[in-house]
Amino acid sequence: GQNIDQPTEMTATEGAIVQINCTYQTSGFNGLFWYQQHAGEAPTFLSYNVLDGLEEKGRFSSFLSRSKGYSYLLLKELQMKDSASYLCAVKGSSASKIIFGSGTRLSIRP
Amino acid sequence: EPEVTQTPSHQVTQMGQEVILRCVPISNHLYFYWYRQILGQKVEFLVSFYNNEISEKSEIFDDQFSVERPDGSNFTLKIRSTKLEDSAMYFCASSGRQGNQPQHFGDGTRLSIL
Repeated sequence: GQNIDQPTEMTATEGAIVQINCTYQTSGFNGLFWYQQHAGEAPTFLSYNVLDGLEEKGRFSSFLSRSKGYSYLLLKELQMKDSASYLCAVKGSSASKIIFGSGTRLSIRP
Repeated sequence: EPEVTQTPSHQVTQMGQEVILRCVPISNHLYFYWYRQILGQKVEFLVSFYNNEISEKSEIFDDQFSVERPDGSNFTLKIRSTKLEDSAMYFCASSGRQGNQPQHFGDGTRLSIL
């Protein structure tokens, strides 16, 4: 079977750093994506990891360990607009299908 | 920046009726997808489409559903004999190629079945 686990909710303070974890079990692995989704809107692509290690893109970084089936999304210098759901998604053995986790709803407080 | 566009933004339909959801993928993209998200739940894959044929579909995508690329720009999802449980947000996505190319999502069509 295929399973993606991430915390349901997290809260952080404006200006701080937050790490959102994701663990996955899939048949095969062809990459892991992070998407941001504001309420009532479409998912927006943030990052992609296929090799182990850290990918940095501005305030956002994503890490992957394939042997552990583990990834995290790191958000720095948090802003109020970062309040959203963050979706961990994996492309398993499929050539095209992405399996989404249930998402982590991040709330930023002043 | 090019984007995926979907119409209508909201569709209200009586149970049992047919609906067609429309999408215009990013112009140089080759792969097209439909996903759905029931309110409060996760995004679920429905189908992928490449080279004028379905390349993969989920167990959700049964005979009630069909996709078509009627011309060089549009990509449609048809749902026949709609049921109450078909009420959801339907997202179209496209990508340049598979692998590490991200799938870019449209703003979605909110389908409400009465």
